[in-house]
Amino acid sequence: QVQLVQSGAEVKKPGASVKVSCKASGYIFTSQFIHWVRQAPGQGLEWMGIINPSGGSTRYAQDFEGRVTMTTDTSTSTVYMELSSLRSRDTAVYYCAKEGEGGTYVLGYWGQGTLVTVSS
Amino acid sequence: DIVMTQSPLSLPVTPGEPASISCRSNQSLLQSNGYNYLDWYLQKPGQSPQLLIYLGSARASGVPDRFRGSGSGTDFTLQISRVEAEDVGVYYCMQALYTPLTFGGGTKVEIK
Repeated sequence: QVQLVQSGAEVKKPGASVKVSCKASGYIFTSQFIHWVRQAPGQGLEWMGIINPSGGSTRYAQDFEGRVTMTTDTSTSTVYMELSSLRSRDTAVYYCAKEGEGGTYVLGYWGQGTLVTVSS
Repeated sequence: DIVMTQSPLSLPVTPGEPASISCRSNQSLLQSNGYNYLDWYLQKPGQSPQLLIYLGSARASGVPDRFRGSGSGTDFTLQISRVEAEDVGVYYCMQALYTPLTFGGGTKVEIK
């Protein structure tokens, strides 16, 4: 079955960077896009961007342009999301999600989430 | 960016009774192929979101048929025919037409 397993919680200081991983299994890794979505404590969902594991092309939300980098390692079926210049408002749970039935922009399968806490 | 607006913010429901959530977009999500690029997600307490409905009205695999998505263009509705205790959580609509993908603010469904 499809699984997206994310790396564990992180605590970072303001100005630092964080790199979250998302290991996929149960399907052909290079055949489907992966998205990143975040959720600040008690808040709603915010889309960050998308990566095509086949070739590594990306599209980022403008709010994250210049600070986010999404990469892929096809040898381990893992996607990474790195966010730099962290500030306190980046404290959130970060989810990876795979496209599902209905197309590239349908978030059919989600990882368990990774809590990133930014605190001095 | 497309702005998504949901109502109500909170929805107390009685088990066995129907429930309805509204979602509006500030531009049409209807494409020339006849599909509306609107999805519904449910985030149960302490869990990751899960897909309920895609393309406006198609139920995702494994989703009970008490969930029904309807609407077209800019106005959409998620209906639950008979609410069960396991349906509690926050429901989000999301437009899947253009990036950046954007979500509604969420509707919290709780049992009365």
